[in-house]
Amino acid sequence: QVQLQESGPGLVKPSQTLSLTCTVSGGSVSSISYHWSWIRQPAGKGLEWIGRIYTSGSTNYNPSLKSRVTISVDTSKNQFSLRLTSVTAADTAVYYCARENGGAEDVWGPGTTVTVSS
Amino acid sequence: SYELTQPPSVSVSPGQTASITCSGDKLGGKYACWYQQKPGQSPVLIIYQDSERPSGIPERFSGSNSGNTATLTISGTQAMDEADYYCQAWDRSTAKVFGTGTKVTVL
Repeated sequence: QVQLQESGPGLVKPSQTLSLTCTVSGGSVSSISYHWSWIRQPAGKGLEWIGRIYTSGSTNYNPSLKSRVTISVDTSKNQFSLRLTSVTAADTAVYYCARENGGAEDVWGPGTTVTVSS
Repeated sequence: SYELTQPPSVSVSPGQTASITCSGDKLGGKYACWYQQKPGQSPVLIIYQDSERPSGIPERFSGSNSGNTATLTISGTQAMDEADYYCQAWDRSTAKVFGTGTKVTVL
C-alpha cells in the first residue's frame, strides 16, 4: 500500500524559499501510471492545487503560482519535492503531497504545516 | 481563470439524501472528481471520473456531471458523512482546479 510523507521546515521567513519533500513508500515515483502532486490549504480555507510532476520530469503548475514554483523528482530516493520562492504570509498553509491516478488524487500524505513569519 | 463554485453549506437529516453541486463553465465536458475532508484529516477521494467510486467508498456516494454542473449525491446520509466536500476538475488553461468547498451538516 502506497504511503506518502511530507517533510521540511515548519517555519520560513518572508521572502525566503519554502522547500518540502515528499517521500513515497510502498510504491515508486518512477511508475508510468501516476503523476505526483502538491496541494495546499490555508487554515480554515479551501484546497489549492499547486502543481504536479511525472516521472519523466514533465511538470504542470497552477498559473497563479507558476513564477515561484518548482517541482522536481528524485527517483534514486523515491521522493519528489516542492520549492516556492519569495514567500509571504499568504503562503502559510498545510501542504499536502499526493499521488494522481487517472486524473484524481487517490493517495494523500498527512500534510505538513508551514508558517511564514519572521 | 477557470472557477468551480459550490454552495458553502448543505444541511441534511440522517437517512435523507444530500446533493452537492459544483458549477463551472462547460464542466460536463471535463472529468470531475470529489473529495471528502474531515477536520484535521487529509482529503479522501470519493468519486473520480464523474461517477466512479474508489475501492472502499460506500455505495451511498454517487456522482454525475452534465452541462455546467457536477453533482455529488449522498443517499441515506449518516452522521459520519458530516465533513467538507470539494469538487475538482482539470481545465486546459488553469490546469487543476478545486471547487470552493461545501460543509455538510447532518442534523
